[in-house]
Amino acid sequence: NAGVTQTPKFQVLKTGQSMTLQCAQDMNHNSMYWYRQDPGMGLRLIYYSASEGTTDKGEVPNGYNVSRLNKREFSLRLESAAPSQTSVYFCASTLQGGELFFGEGSRLTVL
Amino acid sequence: DQQVKQNSPSLSVQEGRISILNCDYTNSMFDYFLWYKKYPAEGPTFLISISSIKDKNEDGRFTVFLNKSAKHLSLHIVPSQPGDSAVYFCAASGLQGAQKLVFGQGTRLTINP
Repeated sequence: NAGVTQTPKFQVLKTGQSMTLQCAQDMNHNSMYWYRQDPGMGLRLIYYSASEGTTDKGEVPNGYNVSRLNKREFSLRLESAAPSQTSVYFCASTLQGGELFFGEGSRLTVL
Repeated sequence: DQQVKQNSPSLSVQEGRISILNCDYTNSMFDYFLWYKKYPAEGPTFLISISSIKDKNEDGRFTVFLNKSAKHLSLHIVPSQPGDSAVYFCAASGLQGAQKLVFGQGTRLTINP
């Protein structure tokens, strides 16, 4: 099993450019999440999808949009990237709360 | 406002000794607590959890203690091994489960041979 797969693993953008981070899970989980990790800040929730067809804001949603394409896939879009969005992004999933399964992360640099 | 705090950014322990990682929380509605371990260039992986109805949970070399009155939890690793060197995150959630999982800043544990 691949678990949670994120693409791309690395990306460099210029300020104002847009991009989409893709996430797919093959564990038949209901809920999916996007976190960002910054030094000294831990993991902060950007958006989550409790089930297919629903999405909700987390702690730091500004500047991001998400799409729950189907039960397997949950994408994160940056419409106009800013240097403050330089971070490592993690997608995660869970069946019904509790233990989260994380992807390997996507390192984004915005110049 | 940081609801889950890990006040020690780093910890260095000798191989074979006990490692104790600490975590404090401020929200009394949290009722489920987890520890995650993260190696460089990998995603966090679940280590151990504890419900607020318990004060201790053990899994092999790992034990988590919860002191609800002090709003404090700790992770004990005995004996510590070089492979335990990683960043450890504590996390907490309330009645809404993982939808509102809040993470601490992380503690980098280094096990010295």
